[in-house]
Amino acid sequence: SAVISQKPSRDICQRGTSLTIQCQVDSQVTMMFWYRQQPGQSLTLIATANQGSEATYESGFVIDKFPISRPNLTFSTLTVSNMSPEDSSIYLCSVESVAGVVGYTFGSGTRLTVV
Amino acid sequence: GNSVTQMEGPVTLSEEAFLTINCTYTATGYPSLFWYVQYPGEGLQLLLKATKADDKGSNKGFEATYRKETTSFHLEKGSVQVSDSAVYFCALSFDDKIIFGKGTRLHILP
Repeated sequence: SAVISQKPSRDICQRGTSLTIQCQVDSQVTMMFWYRQQPGQSLTLIATANQGSEATYESGFVIDKFPISRPNLTFSTLTVSNMSPEDSSIYLCSVESVAGVVGYTFGSGTRLTVV
Repeated sequence: GNSVTQMEGPVTLSEEAFLTINCTYTATGYPSLFWYVQYPGEGLQLLLKATKADDKGSNKGFEATYRKETTSFHLEKGSVQVSDSAVYFCALSFDDKIIFGKGTRLHILP
C-alpha cells in the first residue's frame, strides 16, 4: 500500500486566517482525495484532486474556501481559507491503495482548531 | 443514492465478548465494501474489504461477509480485546469515490 505523510498533524488557528495542509505520497497516484471529519461525525468528501486539472468539489464545498493544488503525482495541498470556528475538524487526504487493488489509504489527519 | 447505515454507538463490551457491528448499504451497481478503524488519536486504517457478493474479508480476527441479498456487511469478532477499542467505519466505494457510515465507537472493558 501507499504511504502518506500528512502535515501538520494539528494546528490552532485564529479565525480569518488560512491554513495549508500538505500530503506527500511515496508513490505516484492518479487521484487524491480530501476529506473532512467534523467532531463526532463521519468523513465527508471535500474534493478529488487529479494532477494537471482542477479539483472536483462535492456539493457544499467550493474552491474559494478550500483551494487545492496538485502539482505532481505524489503531492497535494488543501487550504482552508478565511477560517471560522465551524471549520474546526480533522482533515484527511487519501489515495487509492495501489493500482489494481481495491481500497484506500489515508493520511494520519490534520486536527484543526479555529479560535 | 448510495449510502451506508451502521449501528450507532457507543458499544461497550467486556473483554473476550463476541462483537457484531451492523452495517447495511444502499447502492446502484456493485460497490466494494470496507471496514475502516480509527484508533484514538490516529488516522483511518483499512481493516478489511470485500469486492463482490459472498466475499468474506478478514483481518486481526475481524470478519465481514458481503451479503448482496440483505445488502449488509456486518463486522464480527469472536473475542474482543481492550486494544480493539476504537471507532469503526463501514464504507462503500463506487466510481472512484468512497462513502462512509457515521462510525461506531467501540469500548472494551478489561
